Amino acid sequence: GAGVSQSPRYKVAKRGQDVALRCDPISGHVSLFWYQQALGQGPEFLTYFQNEAQLDKSGLPSDRFFAERPEGSVSTLKIQRTQQEDSAVYLCASSSLDWGLRGATSGYTFGSGTRLTVV
Amino acid sequence: RKEVEQDPGPFNVPEGATVAFNCTYSNSASQSFFWYRQDCRKEPKLLMSVYSSGNEDGRFTAQLNRASQYISLLIRDSKLSDSATYLCVVNRGFQKLVFGTGTRLLVSP
Repeated sequence: GAGVSQSPRYKVAKRGQDVALRCDPISGHVSLFWYQQALGQGPEFLTYFQNEAQLDKSGLPSDRFFAERPEGSVSTLKIQRTQQEDSAVYLCASSSLDWGLRGATSGYTFGSGTRLTVV
Repeated sequence: RKEVEQDPGPFNVPEGATVAFNCTYSNSASQSFFWYRQDCRKEPKLLMSVYSSGNEDGRFTAQLNRASQYISLLIRDSKLSDSATYLCVVNRGFQKLVFGTGTRLLVSP
């Protein structure tokens, strides 16, 4: 597609419910990132994929968070047993750069995000 | 202490004013630097990269001081449409960008 597409745009979950957030990166982009942005804060790194390989998941806040990109394109971020502190905007970004080899010399393009509210 | 520090503002300026934002970063191994712009309830968008030699894009000028670990953004002749949050961003050379909390700019008529 023309840009990074995320769905759903908004999600309200009851505490304890499992949620799945989807990201469709720009076609052909090697790198895919998930970020979490709490209200009034900058985005915080969650995890990074290079094609289907999850090379860095150091930012995932707990084992309730799980991300996958099985075919190297669409990615899903799953949050199990949601808690109120999980309420945030979840941003996905993709890049054509193979950052593992060349390093990052430019920024990347974000999707519009999924606003998750846990009640 | 956060790895990237910014004054959250808000900076309230009249149209036509010049305004400058500063940012400091703590990791001296950081390799590349950016300014992103984020409008209310929208995703961050790349405004410009920042180079040691300084770079300019129209009314926007960015500077990097590696010795002081300091990044700046200067906006000249502010427009109403410049009202947004400006995020200072650092890449440490690994696969993730580190964002500051952002500086909010409000340009008034």
